[in-house]
Amino acid sequence: KNQVEQSPQSLIILEGKNCTLQCNYTVSPFSNLRWYKQDTGRGPVSLTIMTFSENTKSNGRYTATLDADTKQSSLHITASQLSDSASYICVVSAYGYNNDMRFGAGTRLTVKP
Amino acid sequence: DADVTQTPRNRITKTGKRIMLECSQTKGHDRMYWYRQDPGLGLRLIYYSFDVKDINKGEISDGYSVSRQAQAKFSLSLESAIPNQTALYFCATSVGLAGGPVGTQYFGPGTRLLVL
Repeated sequence: KNQVEQSPQSLIILEGKNCTLQCNYTVSPFSNLRWYKQDTGRGPVSLTIMTFSENTKSNGRYTATLDADTKQSSLHITASQLSDSASYICVVSAYGYNNDMRFGAGTRLTVKP
Repeated sequence: DADVTQTPRNRITKTGKRIMLECSQTKGHDRMYWYRQDPGLGLRLIYYSFDVKDINKGEISDGYSVSRQAQAKFSLSLESAIPNQTALYFCATSVGLAGGPVGTQYFGPGTRLLVL
């Protein structure tokens, strides 16, 4: 069972609108949570990374939030652009030496003009 | 030039054939990883290496093997390819915990593999 669940699976919005993507996880003990953007046919690119003590991290028009108590994260995209069309992947790491990372299946975002 | 390169970018092979996917990086990172991505599923870790002498199995290592020929090179082999190994394969690198943003990975462009 995947320990990282993302919603919605897909989303279509108009250019200029805002949107929020969700990530719920059960990975434990928690180390950090990352959001990646993956354009079609390309490898994922890191947007943000948050550790336990951080509850907000911004990268331009992207703002990620983390609630470690409820094990939820969100990625908010402001004033969407056509180039934001991509898959957004939530990745949660467990604390420890081994590389125990769990990837969500991603949310496919389409921004239309 | 790309920091993480993968060859080939696309490959079609037949069941039972041995194939190798190669990954090279110029980022100077000590950690390298191989993932596969299937439609509707998250990336899944096949193997990872924290340095040249350190190789570790990931979540789905059966049917795969790897070789870390140098700090900059990490190869993935399918000894006898089968159709359910058809997927998109990604190589990634990262710094160790001692330096840089913790855990940020840099991915290659991917290799699309079709096993007939």
